Amino acid sequence: DAGVTQSPTHLIKTRGQHVTLRCSPISGHKSVSWYQQVLGQGPQFIFQYYEKEERGRGNFPDRFSARQFPNYSSELNVNALLLGDSALYLCASSLSGGSIDTQYFGPGTRLTVL
Amino acid sequence: KQEVTQIPAALSVPEGENLVLNCSFTDSAIYNLQWFRQDPGKGLTSLLLIQSSQREQTSGRLNASLDKSSGRSTLYIAASQPGDSATYLCAVLGGTSYGKLTFGQGTILTVHP
Repeated sequence: DAGVTQSPTHLIKTRGQHVTLRCSPISGHKSVSWYQQVLGQGPQFIFQYYEKEERGRGNFPDRFSARQFPNYSSELNVNALLLGDSALYLCASSLSGGSIDTQYFGPGTRLTVL
Repeated sequence: KQEVTQIPAALSVPEGENLVLNCSFTDSAIYNLQWFRQDPGKGLTSLLLIQSSQREQTSGRLNASLDKSSGRSTLYIAASQPGDSATYLCAVLGGTSYGKLTFGQGTILTVHP
């Protein structure tokens, strides 16, 4: 079975632009979470979605938004990009996002904002 | 607010050594704790997951323990190999924000031949 997939792999944008990152969960998984990892730090939680509903939100500005589709894939949108948004964006999927579920991470999208 | 700390920040050992990585967390109200491995520029690979009711988990040369009351976990790697070189991250799943993993900053492990 395929693991979590993310696209694109790398992305270069300029300040003020917007970006859309995509994630496809493992088949059968209904929960998707997004994390931001700045170089040298651990990942920071952005959002969790389950059955197309937002279940959790981290401490990120409203420029960050996400959604989940009926096939459980997800998009993360970031508007008005800042230099500080440069990071590795990770998507994780799990069966239900519950406490007994292991979260499986994708390879990430490397975003560079110039 | 949950905070996760990993010690040491970096570790360099010769091949064959047994080693211990440490993780501590401030809020003991957790559902589970996971250890991950991250290779440079790559995503995270789950190594072990310990539920809050468990004391330890083992997988091959890896053993992770959890002492929830003291807010500590250790990852023991036996007979280290150069292929074990990576960043190791621990993360806790807490009860205040559904599905949110709180990560430490990681331990960068280098195993030299």
